[in-house]
Amino acid sequence: QSALTQPASVSGSPGQSITISCTGTSSDVGRYNYVSWYQQHPGKAPKLMICDVTNRPSGVSNRFSGSKSGNTASLTISGLRTEDEADYYCSSYTISNTPIFGGGTKVTVL
Amino acid sequence: EVQLVESGGDLEQPGGSLRLSCAASGFTFSSSEMNWVRQAPGKGLEWISYIKTGDGTTHYADSVKGRFTISRDNAKNSLYLQMNSLRAEDTAVYYCARGGWFADWGQGTLVTVSS
Repeated sequence: QSALTQPASVSGSPGQSITISCTGTSSDVGRYNYVSWYQQHPGKAPKLMICDVTNRPSGVSNRFSGSKSGNTASLTISGLRTEDEADYYCSSYTISNTPIFGGGTKVTVL
Repeated sequence: EVQLVESGGDLEQPGGSLRLSCAASGFTFSSSEMNWVRQAPGKGLEWISYIKTGDGTTHYADSVKGRFTISRDNAKNSLYLQMNSLRAEDTAVYYCARGGWFADWGQGTLVTVSS
């Protein structure tokens, strides 16, 4: 199964909002509301930011929000800050009863 | 506080074997599905295996099926990954991660496969 499709990079200025897309198929993103998003800073382990499409775990800033339409999920970061500069990965449950990750998106704060 | 600490990563020759361990604390390990996820140098995340609670059902990514075996010891709060027939493309940082959402991650252990 191929990885979910994410843009390689997204950038924005401090204070702006950016959106990262995650496109799958009717066998994964489109079929289940089990989409998660992870933030990874260089040399660090990933951190869960969003689960079940829209839910923020305790401690995650409300500047991060998730949504889904059809086969595409999205992560929006509002009020962009320098500390948001990182790699972001989406993940979805699949019809094969296994998870799959997206290829990752590098977020740059200009 | 949830803690996951991986160990066992090393330099190994192609065709060799390694066993990774993940020591868990701060949560009820026996009640948690556990995963192994890897990241090749400069690349993205790749899920490779999970093991459920209860009957211990396991699943593997096609890239490791038949070569890697995931297991757990609930008495020792530990997760394992037996890696056989290693290939150069298995070179990566290996993370253990808790739950279906990968809610918590260890710091990773580096496996390098090279002659």
